Amino acid sequence: SQTIHQWPATLVQPVGSPLSLECTVEGTSNPNLYWYRQAAGRGLQLLFYSVGIGQISSEVPQNLSASRPQDRQFILSSKKLLLSDSGFYLCAWRQFSGNTIYFGEGSWLTVV
Amino acid sequence: DQQVKQNSPSLSVQEGRISILNCDYTNSMFDYFLWYKKYPAEGPTFLISISSIKDKNEDGRFTVFLNKSAKHLSLHIVPSQPGDSAVYFCAASTHNAGNMLTFGGGTRLMVKP
Repeated sequence: SQTIHQWPATLVQPVGSPLSLECTVEGTSNPNLYWYRQAAGRGLQLLFYSVGIGQISSEVPQNLSASRPQDRQFILSSKKLLLSDSGFYLCAWRQFSGNTIYFGEGSWLTVV
Repeated sequence: DQQVKQNSPSLSVQEGRISILNCDYTNSMFDYFLWYKKYPAEGPTFLISISSIKDKNEDGRFTVFLNKSAKHLSLHIVPSQPGDSAVYFCAASTHNAGNMLTFGGGTRLMVKP
């Protein structure tokens, strides 16, 4: 069966510090990978998606970036965090030919 | 431009009764619809989906209805249980757009014992 893991689960970072959230998927090959954010009291916003190694599409311009160094690894990064980057970040995956997206456990980021 | 809307931010239901969660969409190109359940500080969990070629899909206590002419879908939970208390998101996708999901803002369901 397929599993998805992301870490760290909780992160408190000062403004201006870097960020790295990691996500890995097991049990599938060539998945589509996604990073979503849920700001407090709001819905899910798609940040980035990837259809293959090194292929990243950005949905929202911001100071975040994403990378996919391996088939089942997706990384969300920032060089300098802003207060507005605080939120709940979710990694997700979908089988290449599938319709359903499956989410990881989420990572709470608080920028102080 | 919110293409998927959940107009009720919260819903309170008595245990054992029916919960009806509603979702409206504007993009007539959407051809696949999903419902997710989310507990605080956890990732959303897939519940049930429906293709635009159907108007109803049932899975245990959960039934999703799709009214394409009204661009409306709903999730029925019968009977409601306290463990169903969570935030429910509807989502829609278009095959031609690579099945990218567009989410509604969520509805918080509270099932009272």
